[in-house]
Amino acid sequence: EAGVAQSPRYKIIEKRQSVAFWCNPISGHATLYWYQQILGQGPKLLIQFQNNGVVDDSQLPKDRFSAERLKGVDSTLKIQPAKLEDSAVYLCASSLGLAGGYTQYFGPGTRLTVL
Amino acid sequence: GNSVTQMEGPVTLSEEAFLTINCTYTATGYPSLFWYVQYPGEGLQLLLKATKADDKGSNKGFEATYRKETTSFHLEKGSVQVSDSAVYFCALSGSTNAGKSTFGDGTTLTVKP
Repeated sequence: EAGVAQSPRYKIIEKRQSVAFWCNPISGHATLYWYQQILGQGPKLLIQFQNNGVVDDSQLPKDRFSAERLKGVDSTLKIQPAKLEDSAVYLCASSLGLAGGYTQYFGPGTRLTVL
Repeated sequence: GNSVTQMEGPVTLSEEAFLTINCTYTATGYPSLFWYVQYPGEGLQLLLKATKADDKGSNKGFEATYRKETTSFHLEKGSVQVSDSAVYFCALSGSTNAGKSTFGDGTTLTVKP
């Protein structure tokens, strides 16, 4: 079974530029998550989708971050404009369902460096 | 809101030593509890989980028991190996708020031969 795919793996940009990350979840997984992991910290949930609807985006900085999940499968996360403090690893995960007991499967992450 | 507090690291042990990594949580309702592990150069993966009070999750010699009375989910292993060197994350998924996940900050374990 293929895992969660993410691209690119690494990205370096200047502050105020824009960047986009792509995620393809495990086939059949209805729930998709985007996390931000700053060095030395645990993942912080940015947004959670159930199929193509947003379930939770309370920690997404909506003035600069946006995300969509087209047709309930692939998802993109965009930052525009980027700030220095956005330097982090952006993780995508998916699970079969919404309820708390479902295991999340993580992709390899995209390491973003903002200069 | 929900929160997870993990034992601060890093933790360094000799091979075959006993491991405990403490994890306590604050949550409303009855969350599910998880330990995820990140080996060097790899992504996060599930190590074990427990979905209700007094459940014990176990995998690869690791165990953790869901203790509602102490709001804890401590990770233990009786005899660690060099290959257990990794970062360990305690996490919870809420029973309310669509199962929103909260992670601890991780504990780095290094096992020396």
